[in-house]
Amino acid sequence: EIVMTQSPATLSVSPGERATLSCRASQSVSSNLAWYQQKPGQAPRLLIYGASTRATGIPARFSGSGSGTEFTLTISSLQSEDFAVYYCQQYNNWPGTFGQGTKLEIK
Amino acid sequence: QLQLQESGPGLVKPSETLSLTCTVSGGSISSSSYYWGWIRQPPGKGLEWIGSIYYSGSTYYNPSLKSRVTISVDTSKNQFSLKLSSVTAADTAVYYCARHPPSITGTTTPLVDPWGQGTLVTVSS
Repeated sequence: EIVMTQSPATLSVSPGERATLSCRASQSVSSNLAWYQQKPGQAPRLLIYGASTRATGIPARFSGSGSGTEFTLTISSLQSEDFAVYYCQQYNNWPGTFGQGTKLEIK
Repeated sequence: QLQLQESGPGLVKPSETLSLTCTVSGGSISSSSYYWGWIRQPPGKGLEWIGSIYYSGSTYYNPSLKSRVTISVDTSKNQFSLKLSSVTAADTAVYYCARHPPSITGTTTPLVDPWGQGTLVTVSS
């Protein structure tokens, strides 16, 4: 089973600033990496797949990069609605393992 | 627009079997190359994949839960179901059903989109 490790566990950023979240895989997952956003009381929603492709309706301030074992989610200018928990997931192999999440909070 | 809705008891006694159903609307559960899955999230914790099924009945299960999990599909009702036996308090979680889209080459993948809204199941006597 591929282990996904996210860092940091909590990230404090001011609105309007840039946020950078990291995700590392225990072995190569090629570009088969997704990012999800989860707000309190809601189901996660797909933000990014293929490491860098935005899902339908996702604003351009969200961008993903990386391949192999190292991945990054960048939010270029944080809006109030972006403060949430973010999960990465590898879907190169079954089971599609998730990272433990990064909580993005208002500074 | 595809929608998934979980249903089932919100309270289950320890040692009993948790049973949930996911009803799919706005699309067919028999669509080629799509798996359908269950994922859970204990309160305040992260996401754990439980298992997934193809309309033909082919399944993948989380090895850590495999001995207690059964996932089945009913294409006539556009539904799939989860049974988790011998539950304990550790199985208390929000349970999500979801669709797994294929890759651009048509390969089945565990990518998740969309998710159901989730249903909280509490294990308690």
